[in-house]
Amino acid sequence: EAGVVQSPRYKIIEKKQPVAFWCNPISGHNTLYWYRQNLGQGPELLIRYENEEAVDDSQLPKDRFSAERLKGVDSTLKIQPAELGDSAVYLCASSQGQGIIEQYFGPGTRLTVT
Amino acid sequence: AQKITQTQPGMFVQEKEAVTLDCTYDTSDPSYGLFWYKQPSSGEMIFLIYQGSYDQQNATEGRYSLNFQKARKSANLVISASQLGDSAMYFCAMKRGGGNKLTFGTGTQLKVEL
Repeated sequence: EAGVVQSPRYKIIEKKQPVAFWCNPISGHNTLYWYRQNLGQGPELLIRYENEEAVDDSQLPKDRFSAERLKGVDSTLKIQPAELGDSAVYLCASSQGQGIIEQYFGPGTRLTVT
Repeated sequence: AQKITQTQPGMFVQEKEAVTLDCTYDTSDPSYGLFWYKQPSSGEMIFLIYQGSYDQQNATEGRYSLNFQKARKSANLVISASQLGDSAMYFCAMKRGGGNKLTFGTGTQLKVEL
Protein backbone atom coordinates (compact mmCIF):
# COMPACT_ATOMS: atom_id res chain seq x y z
CA GLU A 1 0.00 0.00 0.00
CA ALA A 2 1.38 3.38 -0.99
CA GLY A 3 1.92 5.88 1.79
CA VAL A 4 1.08 9.57 1.88
CA VAL A 5 2.74 11.30 -1.05
CA GLN A 6 3.85 14.92 -0.96
CA SER A 7 5.50 17.13 -3.52
CA PRO A 8 7.75 18.89 -3.88
CA ARG A 9 10.14 17.66 -1.20
CA TYR A 10 12.07 20.90 -1.16
CA LYS A 11 11.21 24.42 -2.27
CA ILE A 12 13.23 27.62 -2.12
CA ILE A 13 11.48 30.87 -2.97
CA GLU A 14 11.97 34.56 -2.42
CA LYS A 15 9.69 36.39 -0.04
CA LYS A 16 6.46 37.74 -1.50
CA GLN A 17 6.36 34.90 -4.04
CA PRO A 18 3.52 32.35 -4.05
CA VAL A 19 4.09 28.66 -3.35
CA ALA A 20 1.92 25.55 -3.39
CA PHE A 21 2.29 22.12 -1.83
CA TRP A 22 0.50 18.99 -2.94
CA CYS A 23 -0.58 15.95 -0.95
CA ASN A 24 -2.05 12.62 -1.99
CA PRO A 25 -3.34 10.70 1.05
CA ILE A 26 -3.53 6.96 1.49
CA SER A 27 -6.32 5.51 -0.60
CA GLY A 28 -9.57 5.34 1.33
CA HIS A 29 -8.50 7.76 4.04
CA ASN A 30 -11.20 10.38 4.37
CA THR A 31 -9.44 12.60 6.91
CA LEU A 32 -6.52 14.73 5.75
CA TYR A 33 -4.34 17.05 7.83
CA TRP A 34 -1.82 19.75 7.06
CA TYR A 35 0.77 20.47 9.74
CA ARG A 36 3.58 23.00 9.90
CA GLN A 37 6.77 22.05 11.70
CA ASN A 38 9.15 24.86 12.58
CA LEU A 39 12.79 24.06 13.25
CA GLY A 40 13.24 22.43 16.64
CA GLN A 41 9.51 22.15 17.25
CA GLY A 42 6.79 19.56 16.96
CA PRO A 43 4.23 19.76 14.16
CA GLU A 44 1.29 22.11 14.59
CA LEU A 45 -2.03 21.52 12.89
CA LEU A 46 -2.97 24.05 10.23
CA ILE A 47 -6.13 22.50 8.83
CA ARG A 48 -8.06 19.24 8.92
CA TYR A 49 -10.41 17.93 6.24
CA GLU A 50 -13.15 15.38 6.57
CA ASN A 51 -13.64 14.36 2.95
CA GLU A 52 -13.78 17.70 1.09
CA GLU A 53 -14.94 19.76 4.09
CA ALA A 54 -12.49 21.77 6.17
CA VAL A 55 -13.64 21.00 9.73
CA ASP A 56 -10.79 22.62 11.68
CA ASP A 57 -8.90 25.54 10.17
CA SER A 58 -8.57 27.65 13.31
CA GLN A 59 -4.77 27.67 13.10
CA LEU A 60 -4.56 28.52 9.41
CA PRO A 61 -3.37 32.12 8.77
CA LYS A 62 -6.16 32.92 6.39
CA ASP A 63 -4.73 36.20 5.16
CA ARG A 64 -2.05 34.39 3.20
CA PHE A 65 -2.73 30.66 3.45
CA SER A 66 -5.40 28.74 1.60
CA ALA A 67 -6.12 25.08 1.13
CA GLU A 68 -8.43 22.93 -0.87
CA ARG A 69 -9.30 19.28 -1.15
CA LEU A 70 -11.15 18.69 -4.34
CA LYS A 71 -13.28 15.54 -4.54
CA GLY A 72 -12.13 14.57 -1.06
CA VAL A 73 -8.84 13.05 -2.22
CA ASP A 74 -5.78 15.17 -3.12
CA SER A 75 -5.15 18.42 -1.33
CA THR A 76 -3.21 21.58 -2.07
CA LEU A 77 -1.90 24.10 0.46
CA LYS A 78 -0.98 27.51 -0.87
CA ILE A 79 0.86 30.49 0.57
CA GLN A 80 0.57 33.86 -1.14
CA PRO A 81 2.61 35.90 -0.54
CA ALA A 82 5.26 33.97 1.37
CA GLU A 83 7.10 35.61 4.28
CA LEU A 84 10.46 34.77 5.82
CA GLY A 85 8.69 33.28 8.86
CA ASP A 86 6.95 30.72 6.67
CA SER A 87 10.19 28.76 6.33
CA ALA A 88 9.31 25.36 7.82
CA VAL A 89 8.48 21.79 6.93
CA TYR A 90 4.88 21.29 5.83
CA LEU A 91 3.61 17.83 6.65
CA CYS A 92 0.53 16.14 5.29
CA ALA A 93 -1.12 13.25 7.12
CA SER A 94 -4.19 11.12 6.63
CA SER A 95 -6.34 8.79 8.68
CA GLN A 96 -9.37 6.64 8.19
CA GLY A 97 -12.54 7.81 9.89
CA GLN A 98 -13.33 9.62 13.12
CA GLY A 99 -11.46 8.67 16.28
CA ILE A 100 -9.20 6.20 14.55
CA ILE A 101 -5.90 6.12 16.37
CA GLU A 102 -3.20 6.44 13.82
CA GLN A 103 -2.36 9.32 11.51
CA TYR A 104 -0.05 8.41 8.64
CA PHE A 105 2.38 11.15 7.68
CA GLY A 106 4.05 11.97 4.41
CA PRO A 107 7.74 12.96 4.12
CA GLY A 108 6.94 16.66 4.15
CA THR A 109 7.91 19.65 2.03
CA ARG A 110 10.79 21.73 3.33
CA LEU A 111 10.14 25.37 2.43
CA THR A 112 12.88 27.98 2.59
CA VAL A 113 11.89 31.60 2.06
CA THR A 114 14.80 33.94 1.33
CA ALA B 1 -6.05 23.53 26.42
CA GLN B 2 -3.75 20.58 26.03
CA LYS B 3 0.00 20.76 26.49
CA ILE B 4 2.83 18.27 26.03
CA THR B 5 6.23 18.80 27.65
CA GLN B 6 9.39 16.97 26.65
CA THR B 7 12.26 18.22 28.80
CA GLN B 8 15.10 16.26 27.19
CA PRO B 9 16.30 18.00 24.02
CA GLY B 10 18.87 15.25 23.43
CA MET B 11 19.71 11.79 24.74
CA PHE B 12 22.55 9.35 24.13
CA VAL B 13 22.34 5.61 24.66
CA GLN B 14 24.68 2.72 24.00
CA GLU B 15 23.60 0.12 21.49
CA LYS B 16 21.65 -2.75 23.13
CA GLU B 17 20.88 -0.67 26.21
CA ALA B 18 17.41 0.54 27.22
CA VAL B 19 16.50 4.22 27.19
CA THR B 20 13.59 6.22 28.60
CA LEU B 21 12.30 9.35 26.88
CA ASP B 22 10.25 11.59 29.15
CA CYS B 23 6.86 13.10 28.38
CA THR B 24 4.47 14.95 30.67
CA TYR B 25 1.11 16.28 29.65
CA ASP B 26 -1.57 18.63 30.84
CA THR B 27 -5.25 18.37 30.02
CA SER B 28 -8.60 18.82 31.71
CA ASP B 29 -10.29 16.25 29.48
CA PRO B 30 -11.08 12.94 31.22
CA SER B 31 -10.71 11.07 27.93
CA TYR B 32 -7.56 11.45 25.89
CA GLY B 33 -4.96 9.50 23.97
CA LEU B 34 -1.18 9.66 24.11
CA PHE B 35 1.10 8.85 21.19
CA TRP B 36 4.75 8.53 20.41
CA TYR B 37 6.10 9.21 16.94
CA LYS B 38 9.59 8.75 15.54
CA GLN B 39 10.96 11.21 12.98
CA PRO B 40 14.17 10.09 11.26
CA SER B 41 16.25 12.52 9.23
CA SER B 42 14.14 11.70 6.17
CA GLY B 43 11.37 13.74 7.79
CA GLU B 44 8.50 11.27 7.89
CA MET B 45 6.65 10.89 11.20
CA ILE B 46 6.35 7.19 12.09
CA PHE B 47 3.73 6.07 14.59
CA LEU B 48 5.21 3.94 17.39
CA ILE B 49 2.73 3.41 20.20
CA TYR B 50 -0.58 4.59 21.64
CA GLN B 51 -2.06 4.71 25.16
CA GLY B 52 -5.65 5.60 25.95
CA SER B 53 -6.41 7.39 29.19
CA TYR B 54 -8.74 4.59 30.32
CA ASP B 55 -6.40 1.76 29.37
CA GLN B 56 -5.50 -0.23 32.46
CA GLN B 57 -2.38 -1.80 31.05
CA ASN B 58 0.68 0.02 29.78
CA ALA B 59 0.93 -0.22 26.00
CA THR B 60 3.69 -2.28 24.41
CA GLU B 61 4.73 -2.67 20.77
CA GLY B 62 7.77 -4.83 20.24
CA ARG B 63 10.75 -3.02 21.73
CA TYR B 64 8.63 0.00 22.62
CA SER B 65 6.65 0.34 25.81
CA LEU B 66 4.82 3.28 27.29
CA ASN B 67 5.19 3.89 31.02
CA PHE B 68 1.84 5.55 31.71
CA GLN B 69 1.48 7.16 35.14
CA LYS B 70 -1.88 8.91 35.09
CA ALA B 71 -1.64 10.54 38.52
CA ARG B 72 1.69 12.10 37.56
CA LYS B 73 0.46 12.92 34.04
CA SER B 74 3.44 11.25 32.48
CA ALA B 75 3.73 8.97 29.47
CA ASN B 76 7.36 8.03 29.08
CA LEU B 77 8.57 5.95 26.15
CA VAL B 78 10.91 3.07 26.92
CA ILE B 79 12.97 1.62 24.09
CA SER B 80 14.61 -1.68 24.99
CA ALA B 81 17.70 -3.09 23.30
CA SER B 82 18.49 0.11 21.39
CA GLN B 83 19.65 -0.22 17.80
CA LEU B 84 21.61 2.21 15.63
CA GLY B 85 18.48 2.66 13.53
CA ASP B 86 16.67 4.08 16.56
CA SER B 87 18.66 7.29 16.21
CA ALA B 88 16.01 9.88 15.39
CA MET B 89 13.79 12.60 16.82
CA TYR B 90 11.00 11.33 19.06
CA PHE B 91 7.78 13.22 19.64
CA CYS B 92 5.15 12.72 22.29
CA ALA B 93 1.65 13.81 21.28
CA MET B 94 -1.86 13.92 22.69
CA LYS B 95 -5.39 14.06 21.37
CA ARG B 96 -8.74 14.56 23.02
CA GLY B 97 -10.88 11.44 23.32
CA GLY B 98 -12.92 11.09 20.13
CA GLY B 99 -11.07 13.94 18.48
CA ASN B 100 -8.48 13.94 15.74
CA LYS B 101 -6.25 16.91 16.47
CA LEU B 102 -2.79 15.94 17.73
CA THR B 103 -0.85 18.29 20.01
CA PHE B 104 2.88 17.57 19.87
CA GLY B 105 5.75 18.22 22.24
CA THR B 106 9.05 19.72 21.15
CA GLY B 107 10.75 16.37 20.73
CA THR B 108 13.83 14.54 22.01
CA GLN B 109 16.77 13.80 19.71
CA LEU B 110 18.03 10.29 20.45
CA LYS B 111 21.48 9.15 19.40
CA VAL B 112 22.41 5.49 19.68
CA GLU B 113 26.13 4.87 19.92
CA LEU B 114 28.25 1.76 19.41
